[in-house]
Amino acid sequence: AQKITQTQPGMFVQEKEAVTLDCTYDTSDPSYGLFWYKQPSSGEMIFLIYQGSYDQQNATEGRYSLNFQKARKSANLVISASQLGDSAMYFCAMREGTRGSTLGRLYFGRGTQLTVWP
Amino acid sequence: KAGVTQTPRYLIKTRGQQVTLSCSPISGHRSVSWYQQTPGQGLQFLFEYFSETQRNKGNFPGRFSGRQFSNSRSEMNVSTLELGDSALYLCASSSGGAIEQYFGPGTRLTVT
Repeated sequence: AQKITQTQPGMFVQEKEAVTLDCTYDTSDPSYGLFWYKQPSSGEMIFLIYQGSYDQQNATEGRYSLNFQKARKSANLVISASQLGDSAMYFCAMREGTRGSTLGRLYFGRGTQLTVWP
Repeated sequence: KAGVTQTPRYLIKTRGQQVTLSCSPISGHRSVSWYQQTPGQGLQFLFEYFSETQRNKGNFPGRFSGRQFSNSRSEMNVSTLELGDSALYLCASSSGGAIEQYFGPGTRLTVT
């Protein structure tokens, strides 16, 4: 079974509008972390936001927020006020067994290609 | 503070050859992970090193190997290259005490 599922291969949004990128995950570990990364065409993965399984509040980082719904096992990324520079591939990822440790492999989804148009 | 550096950035090799890729983590980071990215398989975990010890290994054949040196720099080696090894190889480092992993720009390997 896929650990991370991103069902939107591509998304389009107009500049200054908000967009939600979907991510669902599958784990039986009670301790895990969820990540979102941005990958521009240059290839480098840029860390955007993190949500721990025990965090009570949804994570926010500037224009990025993570809509964490634990019972549904979803961790959607919301980008507010989209900018042209937000056009990139976005990956959702998960690390299991995070309690007391920051080591461990990341499981990645297949990504969502976001295009922001003027 | 300098980011994660990977060398070389681009590489073209012939089937059957071997290749060594290098990754220098952010200063002070002791954990290095390697990932392979291909259009068909997406991002797949190769290995993770912490303080010169391999902590985790992904599901790759024995042709893929790695190591970490005392200065935390890491190398990965692929022997007997196959066409399917063509990919972007990404290295990530973390301090071991921080949540996020910082990725390098990657090495794009083409096997002909």
